[in-house]
Order: sequence, then structure tokens, then C-alpha cells
Amino acid sequence: GNSVTQMEGPVTLSEEAFLTINCTYTATGYPSLFWYVQYPGEGLQLLLKATKADDKGSNKGFEATYRKETTSFHLEKGSVQVSDSAVYFCALTFSSGGYQKVTFGTGTKLQVIP
Amino acid sequence: EAGVAQSPRYKIIEKRQSVAFWCNPISGHATLYWYQQILGQGPKLLIQFQNNGVVDDSQLPKDRFSAERLKGVDSTLKIQPAKLEDSAVYLCASSDRGIGSYEQYFGPGTRLTVT
Repeated sequence: GNSVTQMEGPVTLSEEAFLTINCTYTATGYPSLFWYVQYPGEGLQLLLKATKADDKGSNKGFEATYRKETTSFHLEKGSVQVSDSAVYFCALTFSSGGYQKVTFGTGTKLQVIP
Repeated sequence: EAGVAQSPRYKIIEKRQSVAFWCNPISGHATLYWYQQILGQGPKLLIQFQNNGVVDDSQLPKDRFSAERLKGVDSTLKIQPAKLEDSAVYLCASSDRGIGSYEQYFGPGTRLTVT
């Protein structure tokens, strides 16, 4: 089946540190890959996406590259800020029965300390 | 463009009571999703609508949960009767069935506490 595996959290970093949150997937066909972010008390919002192999999604200093050979979509940021503290979800969408279905990872909590 | 609207934002009920949540998706979005998010976990899809038809309700506990999307616009999710394990945030999302990726737009969620 289609699934997403994320690294367990919480991840605690000092401000300006480098961030990597690992995400690997299992899928048939050619899924689209997403990172969503959930700030405390809020719903999820799209952070970035990639729709085909070797695509790089980027937003707000975050980046992730769709690696088909390693079935990965790791999230990176060169210098995190306190305001980046949130829960990050990796997700994929795939076609099934003529419709798009979605699978989320379990989420990785990031805490950035000043 | 207005986002996905949900109400209420918070609800506290006793077990065996019933509760209903409302969602209004982004205008023109054909696909609507209801998720259950238990604290510390990722969203779990309960039901997915395409216009006013159900395309996936495989994880919906149909003995107690029901959902409808009248006229293919807003939607209601109901729980009757509620159990303690239903305490969670209920998220509604919508997406546009356009070409390319199918990113979802989420509402703020309804936090349900069952006591």
C-alpha cells in the first residue's frame, strides 16, 4: 500500500541551527509529495510540494527534493527560527479508482529555542 | 479568497451525547475531506467527498459517525453517540480538482472533548 514514514520527534534545535526532518514513502505509481505545517492551535497548511521525481519544493527557506531512487522527501532549512516551532507532516497523494487519495505521516514536532 | 470555515471551534460533551460539526470549503472546491486528529498523531481520513458523492469512507466508524455534503458545498459530520475515544480535533479540508497536484486547504479544526 501507500504509506509515509517520518522521523520521530520531538526535534529540539537552537536558533540558526540546520534542520533536517526525514521522510520516506512507499507508493505505487507516481505520487505527489507534500510537507504541511501545523502551528499550535491551528489547522494544517501547505508548506511546499513536489509533483515529480527530482522536483524541488521550496517555501519560507524550507526545501525538499523528490528523490525517487531513495523514495525520500526530506525537509531541510539552513537556519531555523523560533517561529518555525510547529509540527511538520509529510504526505503523499496518489490516484485510486479515479480519485486522488492522500496519506499523512505521523508528524514531527520541532521546537526551536532562542 | 476565503479559507475553509469550520464551526464550532471547541466542543465539550458527555459520553453518549451527540455532536455535529460544520464545514464550508473554499468556493469551487469539488473535493472535501474530514479528518480526525488525535493528540500527537497525524490526521486520519474519515471521509472524502467528490461534489456530493462519497468516494472514500473506509475509515469512518459508521455505527456512530455520519457525514453529508448537501448540494456539493458545505458539509456536516455527526457523532452519535460519542465515546471517550472520540476526543480529538476534527479537521475539514478541501481541494480543487485541477491539473497537477492536489494540495489541500485546511480549516482551523474543531476540538472535541468527550467526558
